[in-house]
Amino acid sequence: NAGVTQTPKFQVLKTGQSMTLQCAQDMNHEYMSWYRQDPGMGLRLIHYSVGAGITDQGEVPNGYNVSRSTTEDFPLRLLSAAPSQTSVYFCASSLMTSGRAPYEQYFGPGTRLTVT
Amino acid sequence: DQQVKQNSPSLSVQEGRISILNCDYTNSMFDYFLWYKKYPAEGPTFLISISSIKDKNEDGRFTVFLNKSAKHLSLHIVPSQPGDSAVYFCAAKGNDMRFGAGTRLTVKP
Repeated sequence: NAGVTQTPKFQVLKTGQSMTLQCAQDMNHEYMSWYRQDPGMGLRLIHYSVGAGITDQGEVPNGYNVSRSTTEDFPLRLLSAAPSQTSVYFCASSLMTSGRAPYEQYFGPGTRLTVT
Repeated sequence: DQQVKQNSPSLSVQEGRISILNCDYTNSMFDYFLWYKKYPAEGPTFLISISSIKDKNEDGRFTVFLNKSAKHLSLHIVPSQPGDSAVYFCAAKGNDMRFGAGTRLTVKP
């Protein structure tokens, strides 16, 4: 098993550009999520999904879109990048328990994004 | 608002001694708590967890304590080893998962 994979590892964008961060997992996990990590702020939840076709907003969703067409993939789209979106982005996946939010999550290695 | 707080950004201890990492939370609806460990250029990895119905959980050198009345949890590492040097995040589960800002632990040989 590859676990949770993320591409790219690094990305530099200009303000206003768009891009998609890719995330895939091969553990058949229902729950997938995106976090951003900023200094002094810890990990903040952007969007999450409890299964294919179902997504919802987390703590800091503005400026990001997601979709979940398959169990395995959960891409994160930045429609018009802003310098405030400079961050490290982590994708995570987990089994669901009784239909509720996840317990232990498996994280990908992260994507370091810089917006100039 | 930060519902989960780790007020110590860093902690340095000597190899073989105890490391105590602290975490406070504000939301009484959190019912499950976790600690994650993160090395540079890697994603966080799960370390240990505790349900709100317990006050202690042990796994080898790692013990997590939960004080619900004080809304406080702590992670004890005994004995500390240089390989434990990493950033430790506490997390709390309610309707979703909330993380603290992390504490960087350095264990000196």
